[in-house]
Order: sequence, then C-alpha cells, then structure tokens
Amino acid sequence: NAGVTQTPKFQVLKTGQSMTLQCAQDMNHNSMYWYRQDPGMGLRLIYYSASEGTTDKGEVPNGYNVSRLNKREFSLRLESAAPSQTSVYFCASAGTLNTEAFFGQGTRLTVV
Amino acid sequence: RKEVEQDPGPFNVPEGATVAFNCTYSNSASQSFFWYRQDCRKEPKLLMSVYSSGNEDGRFTAQLNRASQYISLLIRDSKLSDSATYLCVVSRGGKLIFGQGTELSVKP
Repeated sequence: NAGVTQTPKFQVLKTGQSMTLQCAQDMNHNSMYWYRQDPGMGLRLIYYSASEGTTDKGEVPNGYNVSRLNKREFSLRLESAAPSQTSVYFCASAGTLNTEAFFGQGTRLTVV
Repeated sequence: RKEVEQDPGPFNVPEGATVAFNCTYSNSASQSFFWYRQDCRKEPKLLMSVYSSGNEDGRFTAQLNRASQYISLLIRDSKLSDSATYLCVVSRGGKLIFGQGTELSVKP
C-alpha cells in the first residue's frame, strides 16, 4: 500500500524556472495538504484542499499555486522559483478535515 | 506568538528515563489534537491522537486540557529508538497547525 506518493524526491531549479510537484494518495482520502519545512520554522501550511474541487490558502501561499486534479492527486506549482523557496515540501492527506494526516516522503527543492 | 508552542529542546535523557513534552495552543476553536514523530530528514508520522479523557499506547501517554489549552506527551522507559523530534499538532477549521517540535535524544 503506497499511501502518499510525492515526485520528484529531489530537484534543483534555477531562479525564475517553474516546476510542478506531484502528489497522489491511494487511501480514498478527501482532504489533502501541502507543507513546507525550513530549519527552525517547523512545518508551515501552503495550501490545502478539503475535498475534490476545493482549495484554500494556508499560512504561506505566496509564490505557489495548487490544483486538485481529482480525488487522488493534488499538485503544487512554482511559477517562478526564488531562492526563498528552497525547502523540503511535504504533501499529506486525511480522511476528512480535522482528522489525522498521513505524509509523503517529501521533495527536497533547492533554488539557485 | 505562535499558535502552537512547544517546549524548547533538545532533551537529552538516558535510556530508561521518563520524559514529558508540553504544548500549548492559543486558539480555543481548535478541534483535534495529535502528536507526530519526525526522524531526521524524513516525513512526520502520526504517534497518537489526543483526547480529553487522555489516552495511552504502550509507553506513551497523551493528555489534553481544553480549559488550559494544554497538551502533553509522556514517554516512559525511553528507548534509543525514541530519539526523534516530537511535533504537537492542532487542527482548526480544516488546517493542521504544527508546533516547531521538540528534539529528543536518548543516550545509552
């Protein structure tokens, strides 16, 4: 059982480049999340999707866009990467809002 | 002030010790509460949910005090494998809000 799968696991971008981080879950969960984790900052919520067809901003949405493609998939797009977006990105899913979430293995992104 | 605050770390304890982590949250509308564990450079993993009545899972006991907006985690008989960062998590309005985490290092 794969759970939550993120791709890619590692990525290096040049400033100004764009890319999409992919996330898929096979647990039939309704809610999905994108977080970033930086040293000393803990996990901060970028965007979340309560259910298929809905998305909402989290704590740090600037510079990102998301798409809830279907119930399984929730992608995060960086339109013009900046060095400040160097971070570890985690996708998570939960059965419903306010229940425990399960995380993917993370994407380590470096913007140079 | 952060919405979820945890004890600063790191906690360095010998094997077999009992260690307690504390967490406070500032928004009384918080709905659900969890403890997660995160090993170095890996994804957070659910340790346990926290209920008002308190709950126990083996060597781990979690308590919630809604009136004081306080959550705790007690680890008894610490093992080397308990070394990790422990994250206090609060759910509010569909958002999971993480504390910064407390690092635990269990030494032989």
